[in-house]
Amino acid sequence: DIQMTQSPSSVSASVGDGVTITCRASQDISSWLAWYQRKPGKAPKLLIQAASSLQSGVPSRFSGSGSGTDFTLTITSLQPEDFATYYCQQGDSFPLTFGGGTKVEIK
Amino acid sequence: EVQLLESGGDLVQPGGSLRLSCVVSGFTVSSYGMIWVRQAPGKGLEWVSTITIGGDPYYADSVKGRFTISRDNPRNTLYLQMNRLRDEDTAVYYCAKDSGLKAFMDVWGQGTTVTVSS
Repeated sequence: DIQMTQSPSSVSASVGDGVTITCRASQDISSWLAWYQRKPGKAPKLLIQAASSLQSGVPSRFSGSGSGTDFTLTITSLQPEDFATYYCQQGDSFPLTFGGGTKVEIK
Repeated sequence: EVQLLESGGDLVQPGGSLRLSCVVSGFTVSSYGMIWVRQAPGKGLEWVSTITIGGDPYYADSVKGRFTISRDNPRNTLYLQMNRLRDEDTAVYYCAKDSGLKAFMDVWGQGTTVTVSS
């Protein structure tokens, strides 16, 4: 099974700050990585698929990069609605696996 | 509008069974892979099962042999039959639509809660 390791597990930031979240796969997954945003009481929302392809309607302050085993999600200029938990997920092979999540909290 | 609506979650005793349903609207359930994901209290997201466009099922090791994914094309509905339930199956269960690109999930339901407890 492919293990997905996210870091940090939590980060405190202020509105307007930039945040970078990393996700490392235990083996090469090419670009088959997605990022999701999860808010309490709401379903996860797909932000980025195939490592860097922004979903329609997702603000351009979100961006993804990486390939192989190392990936990043960057949020520039955090907005109040961005405080949430973010998960990466590999789609390269079954079993599909998620990272442990990164909680972005208000400083 | 594309929508997924889960139901069937309940309180059940260990060893019991439940069937979750996910009614699909806005697209045909057989035209995309469909996925079940769960989140246990205080834990992260966990993939449970996928049914491919061709009807092939895949399962997490933790549920293999106990859960069965299926779909009813005329009813446009996805199911998850859960047997021999364990305490650790307690979670909110989400159905999701495969985006069509490598098992990513672009549409999610609102979730249904399964509690396994005596």
